[in-house]
Amino acid sequence: TQLLEQSPQFLSIQEGENLTVYCNSSSVFSSLQWYRQEPGEGPVLLVTVVTGGEVKKLKRLTFQFGDARKDSSLHITAAQPGDTGLYLCAGAANYGQNFVFGPGTRLSVLP
Amino acid sequence: EPEVTQTPSHQVTQMGQEVILRCVPISNHLYFYWYRQILGQKVEFLVSFYNNEISEKSEIFDDQFSVERPDGSNFTLKIRSTKLEDSAMYFCASSNRGALYNEQFFGPGTRLTVL
Repeated sequence: TQLLEQSPQFLSIQEGENLTVYCNSSSVFSSLQWYRQEPGEGPVLLVTVVTGGEVKKLKRLTFQFGDARKDSSLHITAAQPGDTGLYLCAGAANYGQNFVFGPGTRLSVLP
Repeated sequence: EPEVTQTPSHQVTQMGQEVILRCVPISNHLYFYWYRQILGQKVEFLVSFYNNEISEKSEIFDDQFSVERPDGSNFTLKIRSTKLEDSAMYFCASSNRGALYNEQFFGPGTRLTVL
């Protein structure tokens, strides 16, 4: 069974600060996705990474997939209150298999 | 912008009753999924559906559960003889290719409360 761990579990920061959240596993994933989920809503996909070492940027968000494809990080620059939410990573071991979700990092950005 | 819709938004039922959760995936999508999220816990995969049959299911998806695509637009999750521990948010998702390389679009969820 593939398991994904995320850290920290909770993070509260001031507007304008930078932060990094992590997604780790002992398993290798062929594909890893990051989602943001707001209360009472479904997860919204932010990015998909498939190549070890891959870095993708989405405005102030930078996503990195570890070289061994076992871990990933999400870095947010100059966080804003609108970044508040639950950040989930999800990985698929092989093509055609479905995604296993991590427990999430709950981020709160205070104005 | 096309979106996945789910009805009802909130379903309250008595233990032992059957419920049907409905989803309308994005119209040109071919892959459909159900996930659940128990309050305060992580999103858990239940089942995926392609070409009118289940392509993968998790250990959670036992004989109590079934899925159906009764017509060209709806995708349903039936839960028979509901239990207290079935209380959760149930999310439907769809994609136009297999999940690995393509985006799954999630619906807003149905909150199921079993009393």
